[in-house]
Amino acid sequence: DTGVSQDPRHKITKRGQNVTFRCDPISEHNRLYWYRQTLGQGPEFLTYFQNEAQLEKSRLLSDRFSAERPKGSFSTLEIQRTEQGDSAMYLCASSQAGEQFFGPGTRLTVL
Amino acid sequence: GQQLNQSPQSMFIQEGEDVSMNCTSSSIFNTWLWYKQDPGEGPVLLIALYKAGELTSNGRLTAQFGITRKDSFLNISASIPSDVGIYFCAGQRDDKIIFGKGTRLHILP
Repeated sequence: DTGVSQDPRHKITKRGQNVTFRCDPISEHNRLYWYRQTLGQGPEFLTYFQNEAQLEKSRLLSDRFSAERPKGSFSTLEIQRTEQGDSAMYLCASSQAGEQFFGPGTRLTVL
Repeated sequence: GQQLNQSPQSMFIQEGEDVSMNCTSSSIFNTWLWYKQDPGEGPVLLIALYKAGELTSNGRLTAQFGITRKDSFLNISASIPSDVGIYFCAGQRDDKIIFGKGTRLHILP
């Protein structure tokens, strides 16, 4: 199966720590998206890349969040100085100018 | 914040019953999407609608893109246990997808 993969699947961290998540899109998909999903809500758009260029960032993406896609393949999402409000599922999706295929997500718990 | 109103929030039905859920928006979308999400997984696309008034089926699922482009419904016929999960409507504008809050479907034994 060569779907979207995310690592780690679960992350527990203490408030104030930095965390980094990785997303590997479907091979040759040029677009990659990050979403955040909190309990009882649908996913909310954070940012997306076309190849290595970050084209749009939501206002939900505070200064503590940074995303990169250095070679236009995998992407990382880093959260600095985590807060309890950052606890959520972080979903990655990729597309080739069509349907977005989602990964299984990384569930972050900030204690 | 999110702009889609999805209802109902949850449903409890008997196996074999038909299910209907809908979504309304304050703004127009070019594409309406319906996803299903199982616990611990990402959403999976069920049906995509591209034209106002379009009615599309995928097996036991039927969805329609409202004529005003501000609403959509999803019907599931003859529900089975594996239909349990959370169903999300979503509107797409350019490359951005905006999701509703979901309808959680429960099937009673």
